[in-house]
Formats: sequence, C-alpha cells, structure tokens
Amino acid sequence: AQSVTQLDSHVSVSEGTPVLLRCNYSSSYSPSLFWYVQHPNKGLQLLLKYTSAATLVKGINGFEAEFKKSETSFHLTKPSAHMSDAAEYFCVVSITSGTYKYIFGTGTRLKVLA
Amino acid sequence: GAVVSQHPSWVICKSGTSVKIECRSLDFQATTMFWYRQFPKQSLMLMATSNEGSKATYEQGVEKDKFLINHASLTLSTLTVTSAHPEDSSFYICSPLLPGREETQYFGPGTRLLVL
Repeated sequence: AQSVTQLDSHVSVSEGTPVLLRCNYSSSYSPSLFWYVQHPNKGLQLLLKYTSAATLVKGINGFEAEFKKSETSFHLTKPSAHMSDAAEYFCVVSITSGTYKYIFGTGTRLKVLA
Repeated sequence: GAVVSQHPSWVICKSGTSVKIECRSLDFQATTMFWYRQFPKQSLMLMATSNEGSKATYEQGVEKDKFLINHASLTLSTLTVTSAHPEDSSFYICSPLLPGREETQYFGPGTRLLVL
C-alpha cells in the first residue's frame, strides 16, 4: 500500500538559511511523488514532481527535491529561505493502480524568522 | 494552463441550510474531478471522485446524501452541502484532473465554509 510520512509537523528557519522538509514514502510500485505548497486560506500550488525521470527534481521558487529509492525519501530543500516561503508544505504520492488517487502527507508548516 | 476557479471563496450560513460550491476548469476540460475537505491545521482528505456524466464515488465515511456532487459538464462540477451543521465547517477544495497529464493534479483556490 502507498503512504507518505512527513517527519516534521513544524520547521523554523531564519531568513537566508537552508530549508529541509523531510518526506518518506512507501509504495509497492514505482511512485510518482509531488510537493505542494499552501499559503493561508489558499489552494495548493505544485512546487515540483518526480515521475521516474531524473532523481533530482527542480521546482519553482528555488526549491528542489531528490528521489532516493534506497532511503524511500523525497526531501524538499531550498538553499536560502525567504520570508515568502512561510506556508504549509505537503508531500504527496499518487496511486495509479486501479483507481487514480493522491495520498497526502500530514503537512509541514514552515516558519521563516527575520 | 490548468486554471481552476471556485465560487464562492468563502461562505457563512445558518445551520440547516444548504450551500452549493462551484468548481470550474477555465482552460481545459476535465472528465474527472476530486473534492477534498481540509480541517484547520490538517491535511487534505479526499471526499469523493466524480466522472462527468456518472455518479460520484465517495470515500469511506463520507455521506453521499449530505455531500451531493454534480459533474454535469467537462468544465463545471458542484458540491452541495445539504442541511449544513457546524461540524461541516471546513475548507473545501476541488481538483480537476488534466487530460493527458493524469499524473499531476491541480487545485482550486478553495472555499471556506462556516456554519453557525
């Protein structure tokens, strides 16, 4: 069965320092993995996705994530945090056997300190 | 591409009334629509999946008679919360599936419902 675990419910970083949001997945198949960002009272915006191509995926706003099959991880990183990065981040794995479905992680709230 | 709108963006209603939420895909046609509910500080929970012209498939624990979904056209789906109660207060988000890019979901901006 597919599942996704976000290891930190809250992460605080100082502006200008690196960001690391951790995600581990479980999948019986070769997974498709995504990171979405949600700003307060807004819908979700796709940051990046992995669909069995390059293992290092670059997304919008300077974010990137690396798919590591041996570690079943898909951590999200950014070299330098900006105040506007403060938001909720969701790691998602998609199920494509039978009916198509997204499985969401529980989310990580990123706080950026001035 | 993949522009999704929801209306209204937020609504306050009295207990016992019904509320309709519209979701439109503005620049593509979607045969499949997902509806999610998100409680404060929680993740998104899939409520139901609908395919154009057929009945929606509801997730376990979601009352189909309370959350009526209509997907009558390829660009419009509606979610009606019937006889709303305070516990139905939540953030409702639609997500039409983009044809040819089924591995990626795009999401509407959400509708915040507050039932008094």
